[in-house]
Amino acid sequence: KQEVTQIPAALSVPEGENLVLNCSFTDSAIYNLQWFRQDPGKGLTSLLLIQSSQREQTSGRLNASLDKSSGRSTLYIAASQPGDSATYLCAAPSSNTGNQFYFGTGTSLTVIP
Amino acid sequence: EAQVTQNPRYLITVTGKKLTVTCSQNMNHEYMSWYRQDPGLGLRQIYYSMNVEVTDKGDVPEGYKVSRKEKRNFPLILESPSPNQTSLYFCASSPIGLAGGDEQYFGPGTRLTVT
Repeated sequence: KQEVTQIPAALSVPEGENLVLNCSFTDSAIYNLQWFRQDPGKGLTSLLLIQSSQREQTSGRLNASLDKSSGRSTLYIAASQPGDSATYLCAAPSSNTGNQFYFGTGTSLTVIP
Repeated sequence: EAQVTQNPRYLITVTGKKLTVTCSQNMNHEYMSWYRQDPGLGLRQIYYSMNVEVTDKGDVPEGYKVSRKEKRNFPLILESPSPNQTSLYFCASSPIGLAGGDEQYFGPGTRLTVT
């Protein structure tokens, strides 16, 4: 069974700072890994999907990396803004069928103006 | 607009009263799934479906039923709800499944309270 861990659980940074969110997973034979954003009381918004053959994906100020050998993924947010305040979740499928999906418990980010 | 819809968005019910939460997607996706989200436990998968008439258990299927009679719909059924099923529920869909490298698209969530 895939286990996904996110550290830290909460993070507070001043506006403009670059930051890194961490995600680790136990089963390295993953097909892909997906990063989501969740605003309080809202649904999940997909940010980036990294295929197992890729090492990085970029979207605007976001950059996600994937290192299967070490079981780690990072989400880099450049020049953080108050609007980036949200909970960030990473998730990965199981390696056996690939159709069960496992989430980390998330990192709650607060960007202070 | 391509989307996953869930109804109702909020529901308060009593123990033992059967209920159904509907989920529908308009993207012709083959894969659909249900999750529950609880504080401290994160999102956990309840059931998923690879296609019509094909459903499989996720990590926490106890107390839930699903059916996939049509490609677009994937209702979640609680035959006899209990207070420990109070949670935030999400439906999601994906074009051909996660092993194919597809991303999932999530519905807005259904907040269920069982008293």
